[in-house]
Amino acid sequence: KAGVTQTPRYLIKTRGQQVTLSCSPISGHRSVSWYQQTPGQGLQFLFEYFSETQRNKGNFPGRFSGRQFSNSRSEMNVSTLELGDSALYLCASSVGRDRVRTEAFFGQGTRLTVV
Amino acid sequence: QQQVKQSPQSLIVQKGGISIINCAYENTAFDYFPWYQQFPGKGPALLIAIRPDVSEKKEGRFTISFNKSAKQFSLHIMDSQPGDSATYFCAASSSGNTGKLIFGQGTTLQVKP
Repeated sequence: KAGVTQTPRYLIKTRGQQVTLSCSPISGHRSVSWYQQTPGQGLQFLFEYFSETQRNKGNFPGRFSGRQFSNSRSEMNVSTLELGDSALYLCASSVGRDRVRTEAFFGQGTRLTVV
Repeated sequence: QQQVKQSPQSLIVQKGGISIINCAYENTAFDYFPWYQQFPGKGPALLIAIRPDVSEKKEGRFTISFNKSAKQFSLHIMDSQPGDSATYFCAASSSGNTGKLIFGQGTTLQVKP
């Protein structure tokens, strides 16, 4: 079974630009969560999508947005990039059944550098 | 109240020794506590997880101890090996937010040969 696939692996963008990251979950998984990882703040939850609907949201500005498609693939978008957005962006997929805890599996992440 | 506090920040252990990492939480709604292992350049990988209805869970050399009244849980790595050198994260989530993991700050473990 293929794991969680994130593309691209590396990105360099200029301040003020926007960026779109992609995540393909494990087959059969309907929940995709996104996290930002930085040395200073650690792993912080961005948002979760389940069956094309945002089910949960972290404390990030509106410049961070996401969506999920009918095949459960998810994208996250960051607009008007700031230097502080440089981070490893991770997505995690799980089966996602309501009120049933299922394991979350992480992708390798997309390393975003804003210059 | 959403925080999970993890200690120590870094840990050096001799091969064959026991590595112990501790976490504490405040939110009593948390009911799922996983531990993740992350190697450089990789995403976190689930090691072991526990729910508050048990006080201990063991999988191979990895054991989670859970103290519900103290709102603390810890990871013990027995017979630590150089291949265990990685960053370890504790996390927590609640049944009302199953897709949202709150992570500790991480512990960088170095196992010396």
